Amino acid sequence: DIQMTQFPSTLSASVGDRVTITCRASESINRWLAWYQQKPGKAPKLLISKASTLESGVPSRFSGSGSGTEFTLTISGLQPDDFATYYCQQYSSPLYTFGQGTKLEVK
Amino acid sequence: QLQLQESGPRLVKPSETLSLACSVSGGSISDRSYYWVWIRQPPGKGLEWIGTIYYSGSTYYDPSLKSRITISVDTSKNQFSLNLSSVTAADTAVYYCARHGGVGPIDSWGQGTLVTVSS
Repeated sequence: DIQMTQFPSTLSASVGDRVTITCRASESINRWLAWYQQKPGKAPKLLISKASTLESGVPSRFSGSGSGTEFTLTISGLQPDDFATYYCQQYSSPLYTFGQGTKLEVK
Repeated sequence: QLQLQESGPRLVKPSETLSLACSVSGGSISDRSYYWVWIRQPPGKGLEWIGTIYYSGSTYYDPSLKSRITISVDTSKNQFSLNLSSVTAADTAVYYCARHGGVGPIDSWGQGTLVTVSS
């Protein structure tokens, strides 16, 4: 199965900052990568699919890039609502796998 | 608007079988465009994909859990189910049911249900 390595595990930032989270696949997944945001006690929310396609209603300060084995999620101009945990997930294989998660916390 | 709702016992004894059902409303589980998924999240930890089923009954399972998992679908009830046998405390988690398109991200989630394994 395809392993997903996500880093950093924790990221401290302030409102207005630009932050980047990286996700690396153990083999090429083309662009079959999604990013989710999860807040405590809630189900994850899909932010980005196919590595860079923003889901409807997701603010444009979120962006995704990458292909093959290396991917990034960037949030430009952090807002208070963005402090949450973020997960990448590959869907190149029917055996879906998630990254370990990145907790974005207030500095 | 698709809704997914998990149901089942919240407390399971070690060595027993965890059984959950996911009721689908606002859509048909027989819709050929979608696959139905179980995902879990141990307390304070990350998301773990458990397995996927198609309306026809085809399944994909996490290799590390494969020997203990059965996922089934009941099209007459518009629901799908998870059975996880021989549970231990390590299986304590919030269990989510969810949906994705053919080759697609998970686009709909249930609210999740915490299942605790304890005697």
